[in-house]
Amino acid sequence: DGGITQSPKYLFRKEGQNVTLSCEQNLNHDAMYWYRQDPGQGLRLIYYSQIVNDFQKGDIAEGYSVSREKKESFPLTVTSAQKNPTAFYLCASSGQGWNEQYFGPGTRLTVT
Amino acid sequence: AQSVTQLGSHVSVSEGALVLLRCNYSSSVPPYLFWYVQYPNQGLQLLLKYTTGATLVKGINGFEAEFKKSETSFHLTKPSAHMSDAAEYFCAVSRSFGNEKLTFGTGTRLTIIP
Repeated sequence: DGGITQSPKYLFRKEGQNVTLSCEQNLNHDAMYWYRQDPGQGLRLIYYSQIVNDFQKGDIAEGYSVSREKKESFPLTVTSAQKNPTAFYLCASSGQGWNEQYFGPGTRLTVT
Repeated sequence: AQSVTQLGSHVSVSEGALVLLRCNYSSSVPPYLFWYVQYPNQGLQLLLKYTTGATLVKGINGFEAEFKKSETSFHLTKPSAHMSDAAEYFCAVSRSFGNEKLTFGTGTRLTIIP
């Protein structure tokens, strides 16, 4: 089955630690995205990549980093510089044409 | 730049009643418009989209939306609400070019009253 996988579903970290969230897609999509979701704020774009080995900052990139070494993979690292990392993180991808995005199931990160 | 406004962060309707979720957009160029649904602790699923052509678009689960350029609106409707429709709904806009990122509204949580 084609789709997007995110792992793990739930992640717990201590403050001050970096953590990497996984996102893999087998849809052969060129573009991939990372969003952060907080209650009442909708989805906010962290980073996006339209092609392998290239990525751009979204609206809230501070404290995050990404890489895009393979078409299928777009991992997100939440660094210790991110002041409020506890949130629900969603990965998405899109192919050519209509900008329709397909979403993964999300990772809920809790930092204490 | 594009933006989306969803009127009403919470909407409650009785089972069997009409569902109407409002979305207004702002775009400097012709837009592509989308509605997504999110169930608790899950990702987003595309309900329907408007790109070109017919302004009334039908989606999954009996939902439909009408693109009204003069009103810059893309409201989502369903004639008869079902308990399974309880979820959060997001409207999104992009420019009508390929490979453009989406701008999402803040969402509307739909509650169905038995």
